[in-house]
Amino acid sequence: AQSVTQLDSQVPVFEEAPVELRCNYSSSVSVYLFWYVQYPNQGLQLLLKYLSGSTLVKGINGFEAEFNKSQTSFHLRKPSVHISDTAEYFCAVSDSIGGTSYGKLTFGQGTILTVHP
Amino acid sequence: DADVTQTPRNRITKTGKRIMLECSQTKGHDRMYWYRQDPGLGLRLIYYSFDVKDINKGEISDGYSVSRQAQAKFSLSLESAIPNQTALYFCATSGIAGASGELFFGEGSRLTVL
Repeated sequence: AQSVTQLDSQVPVFEEAPVELRCNYSSSVSVYLFWYVQYPNQGLQLLLKYLSGSTLVKGINGFEAEFNKSQTSFHLRKPSVHISDTAEYFCAVSDSIGGTSYGKLTFGQGTILTVHP
Repeated sequence: DADVTQTPRNRITKTGKRIMLECSQTKGHDRMYWYRQDPGLGLRLIYYSFDVKDINKGEISDGYSVSRQAQAKFSLSLESAIPNQTALYFCATSGIAGASGELFFGEGSRLTVL
């Protein structure tokens, strides 16, 4: 079975500062990894995904994440945040090979990023 | 128009009432999902369907049922609502088998059970 742990439930940061949102996962098979963002009163939208290849993945709005297989982590980073980045961020994992978990996402608990002026 | 549409967007009901949340999609995807979001718990999978004839329980299916009326429609029912089913419910879709599992979400249905 898969599991995802987001290590910080809330992250406050000042505008233009760097930010890192941490995500660790557990799985017995190879995985695909995702970060989704949820703005207030909206659904979730994909920020970025790791399927294979380069372990550094770039997404929308200047975000990037690095897949670290040895540490089973997929931390999300942005070098300079804006007020508009205030949202809840979810890390998610799915199996990359066939099986009962194939094609289903397991989500972390979410991290609320609040950017202060 | 949204690719994944949920109705109603907000609903307040009383304990014991039957509630149906509906989801329709125009993405042409085979796979559809219902998730529940609670503060501090993230999203948890209730039911999923990989095609019209395939329905599967997720991790928290007790108290819920689903119907896949067509490729584009997937509804979630609470036969007898209880207060701890108060939550934000999301419908999602994903592409054909072999895809990454990336989900496309509706805007959510907020349900309050009094």
